[in-house]
Amino acid sequence: EDQVTQSPEALRLQEGESSSLNCSYTVSGLRGLFWYRQDPGKGPEFLFTLYSAGEEKEKERLKATLTKKESFLHITAPKPEDSATYLCAVQAPRGNTPLVFGKGTRLSVIA
Amino acid sequence: DAGVTQSPTHLIKTRGQQVTLRCSPKSGHDTVSWYQQALGQGPQFIFQYYEEEERQRGNFPDRFSGHQFPNYSSELNVNALLLGDSALYLCASSLGLGGVNEQFFGPGTRLTVL
Repeated sequence: EDQVTQSPEALRLQEGESSSLNCSYTVSGLRGLFWYRQDPGKGPEFLFTLYSAGEEKEKERLKATLTKKESFLHITAPKPEDSATYLCAVQAPRGNTPLVFGKGTRLSVIA
Repeated sequence: DAGVTQSPTHLIKTRGQQVTLRCSPKSGHDTVSWYQQALGQGPQFIFQYYEEEERQRGNFPDRFSGHQFPNYSSELNVNALLLGDSALYLCASSLGLGGVNEQFFGPGTRLTVL
């Protein structure tokens, strides 16, 4: 069974304090790995899709990287508005497969 | 560009009742997936609809059923509601089947079962 584990469960940062969130997966092969941001009571907002090991994508203060068994979401000089839950999801390569999500990392950025 | 819309925003039901949730996909998308998200958990896949047929189903009982209409909008029906069905129900839309399943989510419907 495909598994996605995100760590830490919660992270508290001071404004400007850079850090990384981890997403490890056990799916055999990978069609795509996805990062989403979710604000409380709202639907997930799409951030990035990564396809192969070594790939990197950036958006404002966020950079996502991918290895063969994990992905990192690096947050550089975060601001309070970056506070949210960050979700990672994977899609296996076989046929038409749904996304499998991790439980997310709750990020709080304190001014 | 219209994003994914869902209705209603909130819903309160009692045990044993039935509920219908609605979703309109993002403009240009033809595939709709439904997810259940309990508090503090990641979204759990319920099922996916394409060309008005259920194409994939997660580990949910038959009390959960759905439908897709010719205009690609979709409904999620839950019968004989249980307290454990209380959750945020998310609809996600994408384009086609196979390939990379890049999905865009709606704001969700918060269902509370008393």
